[in-house]
Amino acid sequence: DAKTTQPTSMDCAEGRAANLPCNHSTISGNEYVYWYRQIHSQGPQYIIHGLKNNETNEMASLIITEDRKSSTLILPHATLRDTAVYYCIVRVRSYSGAGSYQLTFGKGTKLSVIP
Amino acid sequence: EPEVTQTPSHQVTQMGQEVILRCVPISNHLYFYWYRQILGQKVEFLVSFYNNEISEKSEIFDDQFSVERPDGSNFTLKIRSTKLEDSAMYFCAISSGHTDTQYFGPGTRLTVL
Repeated sequence: DAKTTQPTSMDCAEGRAANLPCNHSTISGNEYVYWYRQIHSQGPQYIIHGLKNNETNEMASLIITEDRKSSTLILPHATLRDTAVYYCIVRVRSYSGAGSYQLTFGKGTKLSVIP
Repeated sequence: EPEVTQTPSHQVTQMGQEVILRCVPISNHLYFYWYRQILGQKVEFLVSFYNNEISEKSEIFDDQFSVERPDGSNFTLKIRSTKLEDSAMYFCAISSGHTDTQYFGPGTRLTVL
């Protein structure tokens, strides 16, 4: 799977949009971008994923650049409960009979939402 | 989002003892995974399981570890003879397909004394 690069930490004021960047310059056409978050020591929580088009769900929006080398996760109105470590993960999207389907977690971005 | 429960939430054991961690998916998902996270470190993949077989495992998943679905619902991770370094959070995950979204359980905190 392609490697991702994320800032170590970010702060965001409560009620403002949180924009979390991720660089995945070696992503291939067969790979999705996934975002998970982990609040304290809880299980990773799925947020959103995308291939090349921008995606939105009830939790967040995902903006993927046209060349797919980077993406941004947007939490439109951050709350204190959004304080967590956010992981950007690239993984293969179709079964090829080879390769890995595991999720490879990096260190992620620790987002602190400040009152 | 599919619900996944794990039991126990916290397990304390003596070094050398066997432990069994359980995962109960509230759905008919077919693919199962175990990950672990040592305190302060990354979440690490251990093993994936499909159709009653291991489909992939990491270097961490050595002969001390085993997985099974004994009754078609519970998915278990057994550590045969625990070591101090096995102390970690263990997370179960499920998915509908090999490349589909994985959903995680709340985890079991294993403490080996």
